[in-house]
Amino acid sequence: DQQVKQNSPSLSVQEGRISILNCDYTNSMFDYFLWYKKYPAEGPTFLISISSIKDKNEDGRFTVFLNKSAKHLSLHIVPSQPGDSAVYFCAASRGGADGLTFGKGTHLIIQP
Amino acid sequence: DAGVTQSPTHLIKTRGQHVTLRCSPISGHKSVSWYQQVLGQGPQFIFQYYEKEERGRGNFPDRFSARQFPNYSSELNVNALLLGDSALYLCASSSWAGGNTEAFFGQGTRLTVV
Repeated sequence: DQQVKQNSPSLSVQEGRISILNCDYTNSMFDYFLWYKKYPAEGPTFLISISSIKDKNEDGRFTVFLNKSAKHLSLHIVPSQPGDSAVYFCAASRGGADGLTFGKGTHLIIQP
Repeated sequence: DAGVTQSPTHLIKTRGQHVTLRCSPISGHKSVSWYQQVLGQGPQFIFQYYEKEERGRGNFPDRFSARQFPNYSSELNVNALLLGDSALYLCASSSWAGGNTEAFFGQGTRLTVV
C-alpha cells in the first residue's frame, strides 16, 4: 500500500506562474517531510524539508505547506522557471533508521 | 566539494550473476542509505548504515546485502540476479542515522539484468 501518494503524474504550468505540487500520506507516524527534484539520468536533488511541528517552510522560490490534520503537504514554486521542469518526489520519514518513503513523483513541465 | 559518488554508472548483468555497487558519501557524513528505483516509481528503501553498522532494512530479500567501511564508503551486493532487479540503484548520505535529516543522493547506478 502506498503510504505516500502523489496523485498527479504530471502537471503543466506556464513560465512565471505558480506551480503547486501535492502530496498525501497515510501513516500518522511520519514526522518529517522532504521534496526532491530529479532530472533524467541524475539522482534526486534535495529541495526543501519540513518538520511536523511546523506548517510552513520557505526557501527562496520554494515553499512547503504541511496540513497534519489532512495528512497533506504541498510544494509551491513561485515564479516557475524553465529549469524547474523535472520530476518532483515527496518523501516522508518516521524519524528512525528505516529510510525515506517516497511517492511516485509528479512530472512538472514549465511551458514558455 | 565532492557530493555522493557512485560507481559504476551503468552495468549489464546476466540472470543468476552477482553484482557489487559502490558509494562514497559526502565528506563528514557517516550514514549511507541504499534505494532501488524502478521505472515509474519512487525510490524504495533497501538499507541504512551508520558507523559501519546496519541500522535499518527495507522489505527486500536476503539476496540483497550491504556493508560500510571504516572510511564510511559502502557497497551494495545483490546475488542471484533476477530480471526484476533491473533498476536505478541510488545511494544517499546523511550526517546521522536518526531520521529527520536531509539525505543527499548520488547519480545512481543503472543496473540492467538480461
